[in-house]
Amino acid sequence: GQNIDQPTEMTATEGAIVQINCTYQTSGFNGLFWYQQHAGEAPTFLSYNVLDGLEEKGRFSSFLSRSKGYSYLLLKELQMKDSASYLCAVLDSNYQLIWGAGTKLIIKP
Amino acid sequence: GAVVSQHPSWVICKSGTSVKIECRSLDFQATTMFWYRQFPKQSLMLMATSNEGSKATYEQGVEKDKFLINHASLTLSTLTVTSAHPEDSSFYICSVHNRAPSSEQYFGPGTRLTVT
Repeated sequence: GQNIDQPTEMTATEGAIVQINCTYQTSGFNGLFWYQQHAGEAPTFLSYNVLDGLEEKGRFSSFLSRSKGYSYLLLKELQMKDSASYLCAVLDSNYQLIWGAGTKLIIKP
Repeated sequence: GAVVSQHPSWVICKSGTSVKIECRSLDFQATTMFWYRQFPKQSLMLMATSNEGSKATYEQGVEKDKFLINHASLTLSTLTVTSAHPEDSSFYICSVHNRAPSSEQYFGPGTRLTVT
């Protein structure tokens, strides 16, 4: 079966750095997405990785290792507004998105 | 990216009634739209894939006679929850799929349905 694993909840301090991991087992791979979702709102796109390596976009970076079935989202200089759920999703061979359950990130002052 | 709207943003209805949710792609012609449901503290669950001009494809366990999907144009898909029950109370989100290299999905703002 297809499976996406990510931690349920993480806590970090304002101004610090946090890394949210995601491992996946899917039938085929056409890319991995990270989305941010604030409570009561729809997800918003953060990043897309299809090749191995690190993609940096401002305070957020995303890493992919296809051979290991592994990705992480790195958030730097954490702000209180970064408190949200972070969803990892993989596009499988049928171009269907397989979603992880999300990681709730709590930022403390 | 594509702009997607949903209407209504929230709705309260009585058990046994039907509710229609609209999803519009405002600047993008979407041959395919997706309908998701999200229960509190859970991830998105794909309900069905809406195909313009043809029948929707439903995920396993989703009753097609209960969740009616109509994708009559390239910019509009509707989800009708028929004979709603309290357990149908959820956050319903639509999205459109861009088949460009990024294959990003653009989400609507979601519709909060509460069935009393």
